[in-house]
Amino acid sequence: QKEVEQNSGPLSVPEGAIASLNCTYSDRGSQSFFWYRQYSGKSPELIMFIYSNGDKEDGRFTAQLNKASQYVSLLIRDSQPSDSATYLCAVSYTGGFKTIFGAGTRLFVKA
Amino acid sequence: GAVVSQHPSRVICKSGTSVKIECRSLDFQATTMFWYRQFPKKSLMLMATSNEGSKATYEQGVEKDKFLINHASLTLSTLTVTSAHPEDSSFYICSARDQEGGGEKLFFGSGTQLSVL
Repeated sequence: QKEVEQNSGPLSVPEGAIASLNCTYSDRGSQSFFWYRQYSGKSPELIMFIYSNGDKEDGRFTAQLNKASQYVSLLIRDSQPSDSATYLCAVSYTGGFKTIFGAGTRLFVKA
Repeated sequence: GAVVSQHPSRVICKSGTSVKIECRSLDFQATTMFWYRQFPKKSLMLMATSNEGSKATYEQGVEKDKFLINHASLTLSTLTVTSAHPEDSSFYICSARDQEGGGEKLFFGSGTQLSVL
């Protein structure tokens, strides 16, 4: 059974610090990796996707993928209180039928 | 990113009534859409996969006669909660898969908060 694991948190960081969110997945056939942000009472919003090993940067966000270790992470630089949310890691397979979601990590950024 | 519109955003209804939720992909065609429910502070739970022009695929434990899904076109899927009861109260979210540019990114509707009295 395909699984995506995340630490539920909460992860608390001070404003301006780097927040590091981690995710592991069980199926080596995984092809695409996503990070979603979900504010309380709202639906998930796609913030990053990565397909290849290495780093991908977009503004304050960096996604890191290591397929050998089956590990994907999200770094948020210069964390802001508005970054406080639940971050969902998701994994899908080329031609696959479903996207598998982790349970999410709650992040609190303290002002 | 792609836009998925979900309507209504909030429904309050009496027990025994049926509620229809619409999910539309606004700027792309979605042969596959997904329906989730989410309880407060809990993770997304996939209910069913909606396939354009064919029957939906339901996850284990989800009653297909209770949650009717219709995907009549490439841009519209509907979820009908039939004879709703208080235990059906939840946050329902749809998503659509956009395969443009490679990969299979999911974009979510804004969600529907259903409260059954």
